[in-house]
Amino acid sequence: DVKVTQSSRYLVKRTGEKVFLECVQDMDHENMFWYRQDPGLGLRLIYFSYDVKMKEKGDIPEGYSVSREKKERFSLILESASTNQTSMYLCASRQQGAYGYTFGSGTRLTVV
Amino acid sequence: DQQVKQNSPSLSVQEGRISILNCDYTNSMFDYFLWYKKYPAEGPTFLISISSIKDKNEDGRFTVFLNKSAKHLSLHIVPSQPGDSAVYFCAARSSGNTPLVFGKGTRLSVIA
Repeated sequence: DVKVTQSSRYLVKRTGEKVFLECVQDMDHENMFWYRQDPGLGLRLIYFSYDVKMKEKGDIPEGYSVSREKKERFSLILESASTNQTSMYLCASRQQGAYGYTFGSGTRLTVV
Repeated sequence: DQQVKQNSPSLSVQEGRISILNCDYTNSMFDYFLWYKKYPAEGPTFLISISSIKDKNEDGRFTVFLNKSAKHLSLHIVPSQPGDSAVYFCAARSSGNTPLVFGKGTRLSVIA
């Protein structure tokens, strides 16, 4: 069964901390994505990557960065966590040319 | 500027009846549309999709209708079951290796 695995289901971090959210897929997919989900705002694209070492800004990249050193792993970095980054973070992957994504289970991040 | 709109934040339906979830889009370059279902604390899962060359696609209890001239699609679930209670996201993309654009979601509650 194909999988996208997000390393943590729940995280609590302090304001100002540097936070790493990890995502690993086992499907050899080229494309990977990070979204956040907030009530009333739906899924908003933070960053995405078409392939290894590549990255593109999404709609809300401010306060975030990403790293894609290996094809299977796409990391989202909160440089200095703030309370407005409290959210559900969703990672997804997609084979090049395909339409739909496979999502991970999500990481519920709370910044206090 | 919202390119994919789900104007009903919530919908309540009795078990056994039809659920109709609506989605409007503004970008005429969109050529593929998908519906995802999301339970709390889980990642979205793919439900059904439709290409712009079709106007209907069925999969069991789920049917998606596309009206290109109106830039409108709808998801019909019949008969509705309590296990269908979830948030439903409409998503769309244009050709090429572009990310999905999601609506804000509609929370469906199926009452026994």
